[in-house]
Amino acid sequence: AQSVTQLDSQVPVFEEAPVELRCNYSSSVSVYLFWYVQYPNQGLQLLLKYLSGSTLVKGINGFEAEFNKSQTSFHLRKPSVHISDTAEYFCAVSDDRDSGGYQKVTFGTGTKLQVIP
Amino acid sequence: DTAVSQTPKYLVTQMGNDKSIKCEQNLGHDTMYWYKQDSKKFLKIMFSYNNKELIINETVPNRFSPKSPDKAHLNLHINSLELGDSAVYFCASSQVMVANSPLHFGNGTRLTVT
Repeated sequence: AQSVTQLDSQVPVFEEAPVELRCNYSSSVSVYLFWYVQYPNQGLQLLLKYLSGSTLVKGINGFEAEFNKSQTSFHLRKPSVHISDTAEYFCAVSDDRDSGGYQKVTFGTGTKLQVIP
Repeated sequence: DTAVSQTPKYLVTQMGNDKSIKCEQNLGHDTMYWYKQDSKKFLKIMFSYNNKELIINETVPNRFSPKSPDKAHLNLHINSLELGDSAVYFCASSQVMVANSPLHFGNGTRLTVT
């Protein structure tokens, strides 16, 4: 079965500083990888996705992530954070191996990014 | 122009009651889901429907019964509510039910059982 690990439950960072949120996954087949953001009292929104091709993917709000197959990682980065980036970030992995060809998404436990003024 | 909308936003009820949460998507997607987010923010899939057909039922107690009258709607009915059912329930949809199709979430229904 697939699994996702987000080692950092909270990441405090000063405004305009760079940030990296770590995500590692395990799967024995090809997977698709996603980062979602959840602002307070809202649902999750897609930040970016890796489906195939270039290992560096760019998303909304200046975020990017790099897929590293050998390290089974998909870390999220932003060179300069803003107060408005304060939110919960979820890494997710999707494959269709165990559900009869249908999508099954597994989420990490989330990382709370707190931007300090 | 809300894409995935669910009602109510908040639901406070007593143990033993029965309640429903409604979800509608106007994205024209084929697939809809219910997710449960616990107090530690852990997200777990409960059900998924593809074109009104139940595809995934993740060992959810049978007190939970989803219903999809058409592919734009997926409602969740919960019987005999228990304290442990307190959580935020998210409805989501995806264009198709394949592994590379991103999810679109509603804003959640915060259920509190007292």
